[in-house]
Amino acid sequence: DTGVSQNPRHKITKRGQNVTFRCDPISEHNRLYWYRQTLGQGPEFLTYFQNEAQLEKSRLLSDRFSAERPKGSFSTLEIQRTEQGDSAMYLCASSLGTTGFSYEQYFGPGTRLTVT
Amino acid sequence: GDSVTQMEGPVTLSEEAFLTINCTYTATGYPSLFWYVQYPGEGLQLLLKATKADDKGSNKGFEATYRKETTSFHLEKGSVQVSDSAVYFCALTQNSGYSTLTFGKGTMLLVSP
Repeated sequence: DTGVSQNPRHKITKRGQNVTFRCDPISEHNRLYWYRQTLGQGPEFLTYFQNEAQLEKSRLLSDRFSAERPKGSFSTLEIQRTEQGDSAMYLCASSLGTTGFSYEQYFGPGTRLTVT
Repeated sequence: GDSVTQMEGPVTLSEEAFLTINCTYTATGYPSLFWYVQYPGEGLQLLLKATKADDKGSNKGFEATYRKETTSFHLEKGSVQVSDSAVYFCALTQNSGYSTLTFGKGTMLLVSP
């Protein structure tokens, strides 16, 4: 039983550098979500894919953030010109879903980003 | 917009004590409600859920009842164990649209022997 996996688990980068994270969802799941969690807060929604289409983006997702899900399989989240405020845990989740109904979301272990 | 409010932690209990973590929500329509748990160093795991008013979700001795009249979904357990020490998140999702989750800030539970 392979769950959602994320790589890397930890990333330390200097301000101004670009970083990319990868998420591998559960194989039959058509929906994929990215969330961000800062210390002492609950996860906040960033963006959503249904298959390969990015259908929703939060206002939290500035122009420096971009996400892709080529072929509806794994997804990448890139942050350009990182800032200290980007330091957070980035969580990926996947689920099955049809119009008007969504099954539970399964979360990966997260990628912890530290910007120095 | 939708929001979830949880009681602040940490909640500190002795083993075998009764647990209540309060959760209230603000949302339009009829959302589904969830409790997720995050153990130290691990990802979020779904603990239980309820999809309509008066539903009771239960798992591993934990229970929560969807109360639409009070917009609440309080988490309870009759006898906590040290292994229940974790951060608990209340969340909701609208069943229409893309079902993104809206989370509360989380409540840390610390159980001592």
